[in-house]
Amino acid sequence: ETGVTQSPTHLIKTRGQQVTLRCSSQSGHNTVSWYQQALGQGPQFIFQYYREEENGRGNFPPRFSGLQFPNYSSELNVNALELDDSALYLCASSLPPAGGTNEQFFGPGTRLTVL
Amino acid sequence: AQTVTQSQPEMSVQEAETVTLSCTYDTSESDYYLFWYKQPPSRQMILVIRQEAYKQQNATENRFSVNFQKAAKSFSLKISDSQLGDAAMYFCAYRVGRDDKIIFGKGTRLHILP
Repeated sequence: ETGVTQSPTHLIKTRGQQVTLRCSSQSGHNTVSWYQQALGQGPQFIFQYYREEENGRGNFPPRFSGLQFPNYSSELNVNALELDDSALYLCASSLPPAGGTNEQFFGPGTRLTVL
Repeated sequence: AQTVTQSQPEMSVQEAETVTLSCTYDTSESDYYLFWYKQPPSRQMILVIRQEAYKQQNATENRFSVNFQKAAKSFSLKISDSQLGDAAMYFCAYRVGRDDKIIFGKGTRLHILP
């Protein structure tokens, strides 16, 4: 069974640029959630995708957007990068619905640095 | 607002000893789940233990157990026979039953002293 994978591992961008982060869900999981973890903080929920549609969103501006593909992999896109976007971005996959006892399995994250 | 508070930014424990990490949460919901996650330097978030709010019995997983005090909205993690591999950031987290987002605390960094 393949776990959750994310790419790239590290990324450096400059302010104003756009970035795309990728996540492959664990085998059999069709729900993907994205979290932002700033340095020294706990992860914060960005949004979740289920059946290729956004299924819940946290307190993040519209320049944070996502996609889910038929194979359940997902992308997180961030436009007009700001310095405060520097963080570890975590992806988690789960069986639907993620509520209840269904566990979210996390990937190793992508470390984004905005200069 | 739903919040999770971990009041201990860092803790240290001698190898083979027992340590307790504290967590309090705030919610008006009756159906929710509580979690403790471990994040080692590899960054991968690993679920340590889970507690359903409707269950009165405290969850246990091998050396890990919780003390769930629903009325006090307290959810502490006890690690028995601490091992060097237990060194990590530990996050207390909460999820409302019908929601999908997990709300995390700020974490407690646990050091294991040999």
